[in-house]
This record gives sequence, C-alpha cells and structure tokens, in this order.
Amino acid sequence: QQQVKQSPQSLIVQKGGISIINCAYENTAFDYFPWYQQFPGKGPALLIAIRPDVSEKKEGRFTISFNKSAKQFSLHIMDSQPGDSATYFCAAKETSGSRLTFGEGTQLTVNP
Amino acid sequence: DTGVSQNPRHKITKRGQNVTFRCDPISEHNRLYWYRQTLGQGPEFLTYFQNEAQLEKSRLLSDRFSAERPKGSFSTLEIQRTEQGDSAMYLCASSLIRLNQETQYFGPGTRLLVL
Repeated sequence: QQQVKQSPQSLIVQKGGISIINCAYENTAFDYFPWYQQFPGKGPALLIAIRPDVSEKKEGRFTISFNKSAKQFSLHIMDSQPGDSATYFCAAKETSGSRLTFGEGTQLTVNP
Repeated sequence: DTGVSQNPRHKITKRGQNVTFRCDPISEHNRLYWYRQTLGQGPEFLTYFQNEAQLEKSRLLSDRFSAERPKGSFSTLEIQRTEQGDSAMYLCASSLIRLNQETQYFGPGTRLLVL
C-alpha cells in the first residue's frame, strides 16, 4: 500500500518556468514532510522540509505548499534552471516514528 | 568531506554469494538508517540504529539480511546467499535526534548487481 502518492512521474519544463510536483498522504500521524533531490548515481539530498503547523515554506526558488485538511503537499520550483534537472522525492515521517516513507519520485527535465 | 560515506560504491556478485557494505555516518550523529532503492522507485526503509541498538526492522529485511553498528559508529549491512532480486541501490542515512526532531542525510549509496 502506497502511503505517499506522488505525481507526475515525469515533468518537462522550459527554463524560467515553474515546476510543480504534488504529493498526497493517508496517514494522519505524519507530521514532517521533506523533499529530496537526487541526481543520477548520487544519494538523495534534502532540499526543503515542512511541518503541518504552517501552510507554506519558502527557501530561495523552492516553496512547499501544505494543505492539512486535504492531506496534500506540493513543491514549487520557481525560475526552473537546467541544473534543476533531477529526480525529486517527497517523503513523510511520523513524530514518534523513525523511517521516512517516500513517494515514487518525479523526474524533472528543464530544457534550456 | 564530512558527509555520510559508503563503501564500496559498486558491487557485482554472483547469485548465492555473501556481500557486506559499510556506512560511515556524519560524526556525532546518533541515528543510522539503511534504505533500499530500486530503479525508478523511492527509497524503502530497511532498518535503523540509535547508537548501537537496532531499534526497528522492516518486513523487507529478510533473514538473509543482517545489520550491525558496533560501538555506535560505522555500520555494516550483510546480505547472505544473494538473489537477483537483491539488486538495488543500498542507501545509508544518518541523523542527530534532538528534542524528537531530526534531518536524515543520505550517503551516495552502494549499487549492488547480482548476476
């Protein structure tokens, strides 16, 4: 059973455009939602994370929007650059838990 | 480099052989995690340690898998009698749990291919 569902599977955006990746979860005990960026042959790197006490968090060109009632959260990449081309994973964790539960990933391609 | 390191980075083995991977966490991080990632999928949790104690194991971790973290520093993951289905990227992550909050930092992974 997929606890965190991520869409789309792949996304192609023009340089300067906005990339939007969505995730939905079912487990109401989740209360920490990080996004990881992964380049081929590398491990995932933390990009930005949010807790449900806020509805939005922004760090540079990256913004997480969080909708607790809908159990959905999304990553927005503003002014997308070719260097942003990577696979992005959303994840979730329970306060009392340890493991991260990952979505299936979105392969982002930013064309120059 | 003070990040999480993993060795080897790549391992090719024949079915039935045993393999062992090593993970060196970020210094002073008290938690260490193992995840497995197959092509086109997100990482899946296998097990984790807090200091030297193994506190949780996933159902994915069959009896052929064993992990250790002696002295609460580096960790090893051993797979006995490898099967072709074990082919995957094995990722290690570490964190410092403080006031019930943590950030997991991942290493580069060990890519295993079982022939």
